[in-house]
Amino acid sequence: KQEVTQIPAALSVPEGENLVLNCSFTDSAIYNLQWFRQDPGKGLTSLLLIQSSQREQTSGRLNASLDKSSGRSTLYIAASQPGDSATYLCAIISGNTGKLIFGQGTTLQVKP
Amino acid sequence: ETGVTQTPRHLVMGMTNKKSLKCEQHLGHNAMYWYKQSAKKPLELMFVYSLEERVENNSVPSRFSPECPNSSHLFLHLHTLQPEDSALYLCASSQYSSTWGDLTVIYGYTFGSGTRLTVV
Repeated sequence: KQEVTQIPAALSVPEGENLVLNCSFTDSAIYNLQWFRQDPGKGLTSLLLIQSSQREQTSGRLNASLDKSSGRSTLYIAASQPGDSATYLCAIISGNTGKLIFGQGTTLQVKP
Repeated sequence: ETGVTQTPRHLVMGMTNKKSLKCEQHLGHNAMYWYKQSAKKPLELMFVYSLEERVENNSVPSRFSPECPNSSHLFLHLHTLQPEDSALYLCASSQYSSTWGDLTVIYGYTFGSGTRLTVV
């Protein structure tokens, strides 16, 4: 059974820091991996999608990597800003119905 | 409108009420999903519809009844809910293809803003 774990559960950093969020999964047979952002009480906003054949994706200050063999993905946020404060969710797309399996998320607070 | 739209945004209902949640996607995707997000728990998949056919029911109680009349619309009919059903209900869509019986996601998921449900 595929399980997704995110570490740390919560993170507080001063503005301007570079930071790394971690995601691990137990079954390397995945189709793709997607990182989302969720603001309190809101829906999910897609940040980056990594296909299973890719190693990384970049969008602005965000960079996500994928290492299927070790069952890990990282989300790198450069030069963090207070507006980056949110919960970041990692999700694996697996199975023949394409369902998403989520981690519990990392709640990030960036202090001005 | 673009993306995935959910209505209502907030819903308060008694345990004997019947209500429905609505989801509409304007992306031309061929699969739609219902997820439940409870406090301090990971998002849980409830139902998957591919090409208007339900392909997965993740052991959801029968008091939740999904309906997918076409590829753009998805409903979740609610009746005789319990207080523990209070949660954020999220709809999502994606596009995928079928090759040799396996469904491969082409594009990532797009989520709606959710319906915050409170059962009193």
